Amino acid sequence: NAGVTQTPKFQVLKTGQSMTLQCAQDMNHNSMYWYRQDPGMGLRLIYYSASEGTTDKGEVPNGYNVSRLNKREFSLRLESAAPSQTSVYFCASRSSGPDTQYFGPGTRLTVL
Amino acid sequence: GENVEQHPSTLSVQEGDSAVIKCTYSDSASNYFPWYKQELGKRPQLIIDIRSNVGEKKDQRIAVTLNKTAKHFSLHITETQPEDSAVYFCAANNQGGKLIFGQGTELSVKP
Repeated sequence: NAGVTQTPKFQVLKTGQSMTLQCAQDMNHNSMYWYRQDPGMGLRLIYYSASEGTTDKGEVPNGYNVSRLNKREFSLRLESAAPSQTSVYFCASRSSGPDTQYFGPGTRLTVL
Repeated sequence: GENVEQHPSTLSVQEGDSAVIKCTYSDSASNYFPWYKQELGKRPQLIIDIRSNVGEKKDQRIAVTLNKTAKHFSLHITETQPEDSAVYFCAANNQGGKLIFGQGTELSVKP
């Protein structure tokens, strides 16, 4: 099992450009999450999906949209990137039982 | 909403010493408290967790204690080694299976 995978690993955007970060898991987990990690701020929840077909806002949703394409895939879209969105983005997934979350390798995004 | 405070933000110890990281949480309904270790440039990885029906849990050199009355929990690493150097995050669960993370502790173990 690959666990949680993310693409791309690195991305540089110009202000105003759009892009989609992809996340997939092969653990048959129901719930998936998108976090951003900034120095000294820990991991902050952007959006989550408790199950296929549902999505909800987290702590810092402004400037982002998500799509739960199917049970395996959960994408994060930046419609008009801003320098404040420069960060490392992690996707995570969780089974319906324990609250343990498993993280993907991350995407390092720089917005110029 | 839930808030998790983590201290200290940085911690430097000599190899072989013990390290303790403390977290407090605000939501009395939280019942699951994981600890993640993140090495530089890598993903956070679960190292130990504890549920509210248990006061202490050990796994080799790592232990976690929980005081539900005081709403705080701690990570204890004994006989530290250079490979323990990393950023450690505590977290507490919230409704809907969400986790609220502390700000992180950068642990440096000096040989």
